[in-house]
Order: sequence, then structure tokens, then C-alpha cells
Amino acid sequence: QKEVEQDPGPLSVPEGAIVSLNCTYSNSAFQYFMWYRQYSRKGPELLMYTYSSGNKEDGRFTAQVDKSSKYISLFIRDSQPSDSATYLCAMSASAYSGGSNYKLTFGKGTLLTVNP
Amino acid sequence: DTEVTQTPKHLVMGMTNKKSLKCEQHMGHRAMYWYKQKAKKPPELMFVYSYEKLSINESVPSRFSPECPNSSLLNLHLHALQPEDSALYLCASSQGNNRGRISNQPQHFGDGTRLSIL
Repeated sequence: QKEVEQDPGPLSVPEGAIVSLNCTYSNSAFQYFMWYRQYSRKGPELLMYTYSSGNKEDGRFTAQVDKSSKYISLFIRDSQPSDSATYLCAMSASAYSGGSNYKLTFGKGTLLTVNP
Repeated sequence: DTEVTQTPKHLVMGMTNKKSLKCEQHMGHRAMYWYKQKAKKPPELMFVYSYEKLSINESVPSRFSPECPNSSLLNLHLHALQPEDSALYLCASSQGNNRGRISNQPQHFGDGTRLSIL
């Protein structure tokens, strides 16, 4: 079992739809959770950063973390064609935990297309 | 535009060439990172600098040589690369961990240098 599982898609939705992107993970030491958006031929852009469990909202984006289920989600409301990109989840453990937990562990990314 | 600037955007080099990739950030971050990203794959960590000192080397071949001249700049020197080294090389920065460990603060990425080895 990989440490972080993310459905690579592709996911295609009509403009205005609510998009749900998800990742599951197996390492219970993970405490820091991020979502990045990566356009073609660009670097990853940080969208959301969450520590531990709970919800965080920023405009049309909502990130949810459920540590008990080892499951994180990103919701995009009123999706726009400009949201078409690859979405990467990433997570890490405390810098003081052991092994290689310090690294950002990425999901494989989900390719999203929002059709006008 | 990102706050982490990488140059050049594209680089084509032969296997015997020596070249350097450059990265600059002006966010006051004290941790800087090099990643390698192959097509349709997530980024893979190569090196971490914390307070201008190399703190992590992910067993990267010696043909890649990082350098951190000051808190704003990060270089990656390339020599005798192989065709399989062709990839997008990403620089990132974050607030540092002054105990010399990798930071848990969010990392901000540049747009990368797309490297092709002939």
C-alpha cells in the first residue's frame, strides 16, 4: 500500500459544478496537509495548508482533513475553466519525528478539466 | 507570477556539458529545496538547505551539486548528466526551522527549469 493514494483521474466536469478531490494515506504520523494546483508547464502552486484535523475555507476552495479516517478532501465550488489543472495533495509529519517522515509525501495528482 | 524565480526556463545540454540552474526568492525564507519532477509524476525531493547549510541530500548522484551562496539564492550545478536526468527541476522555499531540521512550513515552488539531455 502506497503512503498516499490519489485517484489520477482524469476528472471532467461542466463549468459551475462542485468538484471533490480526495486523498487517503496510511502514515498516522502525518500532521500537515497541503493541496497544490499545477498548471501545465508550471510549478505547483500552494492552495491550502492545514495542520491536523478540521476544515479550512478560502474563497471557492474548502479543505477537509479527517485524521481518524486518514482521508483528506478539497472541494471546489462554482468550478471555472481556469481551474483546469492537476491537483496534488501533499502531507508530512513533524520535523521531529523519525525516519523519512520529514519529507513532503505527494499523491500522484488528479487531472481536472472544467468544460465551459 | 510566483515569488520563487528560476532561470533558465528551458535548458538543453549534452552529456559532457556543465551548466547551472538558478533559483531566487525574496520572501525571507530560510529553507530552500530542489525537486525533480518527471512527466505525470509528483515532485521528488533532491536537496534541502536550512539556513544556508545543506541539511538533506536524498542520495542524489554526484553529477548534481547544489550550492546556497546566500539566504536568497540556490544553485544546482550539473555535470555529465544522463538522458534519464531530463525532467522539470523545481526550486521551493519555506520558512526555516532554526534547529537545522526540515521545516513543516508550507513550501512555495517556482515554475521550474525544463531540462533536456541530448
